Amino acid sequence: DTGVSQNPRHKITKRGQNVTFRCDPISEHNRLYWYRQTLGQGPEFLTYFQNEAQLEKSRLLSDRFSAERPKGSFSTLEIQRTEQGDSAMYLCASSLSTDPYGYTFGSGTRLTVV
Amino acid sequence: QKEVEQDPGPLSVPEGAIVSLNCTYSNSAFQYFMWYRQYSRKGPELLMYTYSSGNKEDGRFTAQVDKSSKYISLFIRDSQPSDSATYLCAMSAGNQAGTALIFGKGTTLSVSS
Repeated sequence: DTGVSQNPRHKITKRGQNVTFRCDPISEHNRLYWYRQTLGQGPEFLTYFQNEAQLEKSRLLSDRFSAERPKGSFSTLEIQRTEQGDSAMYLCASSLSTDPYGYTFGSGTRLTVV
Repeated sequence: QKEVEQDPGPLSVPEGAIVSLNCTYSNSAFQYFMWYRQYSRKGPELLMYTYSSGNKEDGRFTAQVDKSSKYISLFIRDSQPSDSATYLCAMSAGNQAGTALIFGKGTTLSVSS
């Protein structure tokens, strides 16, 4: 098991474009989380899934953001009509529901909106 | 006032020193307390987590929680240059309020050899 995998590692996009990130969690982990981290700040919670069900969403997750976990395995996070304020590191983490705080984070996708 | 406050540092210590990292919080509902280490351009790595008050030790690391003072600490004994990283505290109220973690800003630690 290689841990939580995120792709791409870096993404540069023009303002107004749509972007999609992928997260592959640890295979036996049924919980998957998305966080966003800006420079000099701690990660901020965006949303989480248990299996394929999206159970919680932050107010930070505007209508331009959508996340899916179609078969309870990998997840995608899409940002539509990107804005410069979306520039950040997008982190994915996974855990077991029997150990919900035993998170394993991926290395993140760094998004730069120009 | 932010829910979780953490002095960003930077904190510089010589190799072998004892390091003390701290966070304060305002939400008395927090019950789960975590410490993460984050190296540059990497995701956070879970070091320890504790439930409610008390101490927990794991090798060179000791975590303390004082819920009456809303104050948590991480102590690193015999610090090494490889401990140089940003240390993040994180907290959660527990399952009934969701499992989202609230993070501090992180403290940057530099251990010199």
